[in-house]
Amino acid sequence: AQSVTQPDIHITVSEGASLELRCNYSYGATPYLFWYVQSPGQGLQLLLKYFSGDTLVQGIKGFEAEFKRSQSSFNLRKPSVHWSDAAEYFCAVRNSGGYQKVTFGTGTKLQVIP
Amino acid sequence: DTAVSQTPKYLVTQMGNDKSIKCEQNLGHDTMYWYKQDSKKFLKIMFSYNNKELIINETVPNRFSPKSPDKAHLNLHINSLELGDSAVYFCASSQDLREFGAQYFGPGTRLTVT
Repeated sequence: AQSVTQPDIHITVSEGASLELRCNYSYGATPYLFWYVQSPGQGLQLLLKYFSGDTLVQGIKGFEAEFKRSQSSFNLRKPSVHWSDAAEYFCAVRNSGGYQKVTFGTGTKLQVIP
Repeated sequence: DTAVSQTPKYLVTQMGNDKSIKCEQNLGHDTMYWYKQDSKKFLKIMFSYNNKELIINETVPNRFSPKSPDKAHLNLHINSLELGDSAVYFCASSQDLREFGAQYFGPGTRLTVT
């Protein structure tokens, strides 16, 4: 069974600074990978997904993520954070064969300070 | 125009009662899902329907029964509510099963069982 780890429970960055949120997965083959954002009291919004192809994936709101098979990682990045990016971020992994299952990480809460 | 809508947004009820949550998507998607998010923000899939057919049924008490009258609607009925059912329930949809994981989420229904 696959699993996903988001090592950072809480991250604080200054507005305008760069951001990297970590995500590590465990799965025997190449997985499908996703990043979601959840603002307080809201549902989750898909930022980007990786199914195959180019390992650097561009998403919405200026986010990108890079799939690194050797490190079993799919870290989310943004060059310059805006105050409106403060939210909870979830990484998710889906197996690419057999009974389909999506597993979500426990989330990273991003705080942005002026 | 709301893509995935859920009603009600808040639901407060007593133990032992039966309640329903309704979900509708206007995206023309084939696949719909129910997720449960607990107090620690952990998100877990409960059910998935593809073209009105149940295809994912995770380990969920049989007090939970999904119903899909058509592919735009997926309702969740819960019998004999228990304290542990308190959570936020999210409905979601994806274009089809191939896009499982890349989903549009509704705003959530916060269920509180007293």
